[in-house]
Amino acid sequence: NAGVTQTPKFRVLKTGQSMTLLCAQDMNHEYMYWYRQDPGMGLRLIHYSVGEGTTAKGEVPDGYNVSRLKKQNFLLGLESAAPSQTSVYFCASSYSLQGQSGYTFGSGTRLTVV
Amino acid sequence: AQTVTQSQPEMSVQEAETVTLSCTYDTSENNYYLFWYKQPPSRQMILVIRQEAYKQQNATENRFSVNFQKAAKSFSLKISDSQLGDTAMYFCAFMNNAGNMLTFGGGTRLMVKP
Repeated sequence: NAGVTQTPKFRVLKTGQSMTLLCAQDMNHEYMYWYRQDPGMGLRLIHYSVGEGTTAKGEVPDGYNVSRLKKQNFLLGLESAAPSQTSVYFCASSYSLQGQSGYTFGSGTRLTVV
Repeated sequence: AQTVTQSQPEMSVQEAETVTLSCTYDTSENNYYLFWYKQPPSRQMILVIRQEAYKQQNATENRFSVNFQKAAKSFSLKISDSQLGDTAMYFCAFMNNAGNMLTFGGGTRLMVKP
């Protein structure tokens, strides 16, 4: 089925380790986003991309890096994981920047940093 | 910066009854977009309904409708004929006119009781 695919779905990291979360979409969407979801706080935007080769910071970018080398992929990297980065991470994509057709979300990655 | 507030952390409703979820937001913009997303236990974020601020008519999608009060900066969601499958977290979200920031409220957990 067409949509947004996130890998992995679960991961446990030790403090200081690094990892990359992969987001792939097959809808030819121009815009892609990474959010984190913490209890009681809703979703907060980490980084986003308005097209291949471009990225921009969102609300909570510190400690994360992103890359959009191909239009269909948006990678989120943690260079040195910290317990404060324990969260559920969602990738999303949209056809238009204003979301006229809404955002399509992946099913999330639950990351635990110990 | 925009803020979105959902003042009801949890709500419950009997099957087939009607329930209204509240959302208020704060912005200085005149044009913007508002959304309600549903997150069932599967964690998938599902777009329920969308409203454009320049449209006075309230959006409706089957059993879901909104009461958009622009002057009061209020955007409530009404679910009619509640079904067990409506049990989920519901998030209100605000998108600025530039389309580069989708801000979520803290969510309301809705339980539909048989």
